[in-house]
Amino acid sequence: DTEVTQTPKHLVMGMTNKKSLKCEQHMGHRAMYWYKQKAKKPPELMFVYSYEKLSINESVPSRFSPECPNSSLLNLHLHALQPEDSALYLCASSQDQGALEKLFFGSGTQLSVL
Amino acid sequence: AQTVTQSQPEMSVQEAETVTLSCTYDTSENNYYLFWYKQPPSRQMILVIRQEAYKQQNATENRFSVNFQKAAKSFSLKISDSQLGDTAMYFCAFMRGNAGNMLTFGGGTRLMVKP
Repeated sequence: DTEVTQTPKHLVMGMTNKKSLKCEQHMGHRAMYWYKQKAKKPPELMFVYSYEKLSINESVPSRFSPECPNSSLLNLHLHALQPEDSALYLCASSQDQGALEKLFFGSGTQLSVL
Repeated sequence: AQTVTQSQPEMSVQEAETVTLSCTYDTSENNYYLFWYKQPPSRQMILVIRQEAYKQQNATENRFSVNFQKAAKSFSLKISDSQLGDTAMYFCAFMRGNAGNMLTFGGGTRLMVKP
């Protein structure tokens, strides 16, 4: 199994809603990542987890709250989002955080905030 | 800070022909890695090829090869025998050697392969 699975594929939410994005991998990878990709733009790193601990937070607003409950699962909890947060949210994993480790990406969750 | 620039927002190529995508970068680092990622309509980012900066030999992966010019800070991707399935957005990316797998992406080039 060389897949990173993200659910849901699409999500529409209001600014007062609370929702969560889920990412799962069963490759035994110990590093997991959240990226945000606005339309027609490249992905931008949000968070990195290494061995289930948050190792990098790229100054992301607190309305985005990541969680890594175990080595296979990564969540992104959303609360009080703004319309400008509408984007494709990509999850990725790698064996660890070493520079030569290949990143495996999921197909993303397309989020629309109304 | 590193910057990655892709000067061609869109390109097209006939099936079976060769196309080259351009990428330049700016860094003061000496230890770094360069990548080309492909993002088809399925949205999944797929690693196409990677190059370690300390290696002089250009990386190749089947129909994909790079022209790495370290002094010029240039890293172009050549796709030979283009196939319809190569239609995608292509991103050039930079990673510092001790950056813990943190990628900085260029703005992307949309490639259309025409039958």
